[in-house]
Amino acid sequence: AQSVSQHNHHVILSEAASLELGCNYSYGGTVNLFWYVQYPGQHLQLLLKYFSGDPLVKGIKGFEAEFIKSKFSFNLRKPSVQWSDTAEYFCAVNEGKSNYQLIWGAGTKLIIKP
Amino acid sequence: GAGVSQSPSNKVTEKGKDVELRCDPISGHTALYWYRQSLGQGLEFLIYFQGNSAPDKSGLPSDRFSAERTGGSVSTLTIQRTQQEDSAVYLCASSLARTDEAFFGQGTRLTVV
Repeated sequence: AQSVSQHNHHVILSEAASLELGCNYSYGGTVNLFWYVQYPGQHLQLLLKYFSGDPLVKGIKGFEAEFIKSKFSFNLRKPSVQWSDTAEYFCAVNEGKSNYQLIWGAGTKLIIKP
Repeated sequence: GAGVSQSPSNKVTEKGKDVELRCDPISGHTALYWYRQSLGQGLEFLIYFQGNSAPDKSGLPSDRFSAERTGGSVSTLTIQRTQQEDSAVYLCASSLARTDEAFFGQGTRLTVV
């Protein structure tokens, strides 16, 4: 079965620190990749997505992610975090056009200390 | 409405009772998904509706779970004879097409006591 791994379940950083959250998936074929964010008390919302083209994807709020096919990875990065980035971050994958089902990672809780 | 609306936001029920959870998707979105999120887990796919096609029920964990979507819009997820392991946040999402961004509701937190 396909799976998505987010290795860090909790991350605590100070403001202005750099962020990288890991995401690895197991499917070897064509994939669509997503990062969703859930701020405290709010619904899940899309941060960024990769379907094809440039493997470096830029999303909202200064986030970016790089698709590295050889490593089956789609890590999320931000050069300088803010207190308002405190949230839970989910990586999700679906198998390209043939399968709409999103397979989700368990999420990473990010806490930014002011 | 402007977003996906789910009701109730919280539901506490006794073990063995039936519950109905409602999802009102974004107007015009043909795809509708139900997911379950248990504590410390990722989202678990339950069921998918696309237009007038037969729904994909492959994620439903048991025959106590069922869902319908009336008129291609509002959807209801029904859990019969609830068990404690059904306690979770049930999320609904909709999208314009199956490969498009999914917009999520705020979820229904179900607690079975």
